[in-house]
Amino acid sequence: RKEVEQDPGPFNVPEGATVAFNCTYSNSASQSFFWYRQDCRKEPKLLMSVYSSGNEDGRFTAQLNRASQYISLLIRDSKLSDSATYLCVVNPPHDYKLSFGAGTTVTVRA
Amino acid sequence: IAGITQAPTSQILAAGRRMTLRCTQDMRHNAMYWYRQDLGLGLRLIHYSNTAGTTGKGEVPDGYSVSRANTDDFPLTLASAVPSQTSVYFCASSDQGGTEAFFGQGTRLTVV
Repeated sequence: RKEVEQDPGPFNVPEGATVAFNCTYSNSASQSFFWYRQDCRKEPKLLMSVYSSGNEDGRFTAQLNRASQYISLLIRDSKLSDSATYLCVVNPPHDYKLSFGAGTTVTVRA
Repeated sequence: IAGITQAPTSQILAAGRRMTLRCTQDMRHNAMYWYRQDLGLGLRLIHYSNTAGTTGKGEVPDGYSVSRANTDDFPLTLASAVPSQTSVYFCASSDQGGTEAFFGQGTRLTVV
C-alpha cells in the first residue's frame, strides 16, 4: 500500500462552485500534513499546512481525520486560477522525509 | 532573491553519458532532497540529506548519487544515464526534516 493515496480526478467544476477531495495515509503515527499546489510543468508550492483542529485560509479549508487517516481540502467559490494539481504531503513518524501523493487535478471552467 | 536554484533547466543527454544536476539554496536550510516526477507516479524521493556531510537513500536511489559537502549545494549525479531516467527532477530544501519544503524550478531531463 502506498504511504499516501489520492483520487487523481480530474475534478471539472464551474467557476463559483465548491470542490472537495481527500487523501489517505497509511501510517497512523504520521506527524505533519500539508497540501501543496502544482501548476503545469512548474515546481510544487506550499498551499497550507494541515492542523489537527482543521484550518482555513481564505477560500481553502483543510481538515485532518486521524481516526480514519485522511486529510481533506475544500475550495469554496472556485476561481479559474485554482486550476492546478493539488498534492497531499505527509511526514511519517521518526522520519525526516516527506511523502507525496500523486496529486488531484482540479480544472475550473468559465 | 533568496531561494533554491537548479541547473540546467532542461537537458537532452545521450544514454551512457554522465550528468550532474546542480542545486543550490541560500536559505541556510539543513535538509535537502532530490525528487523525480513522472506522469501518474507523483514525486518520488531519490536521495536526501538531513545536514551537511550526511546523505541517505530515498525510494528510487538506483543509478543516482549525491554529495553534501556544504549547506548550500546538493548535486545529483547520474553515472551512466539510461532512458528510464527521463523525468523532471526537483530539488527541495527545508529548515529541518519533515517541515515545509521549498522547491527549485525543476530540471527536465531526456535521455535518448
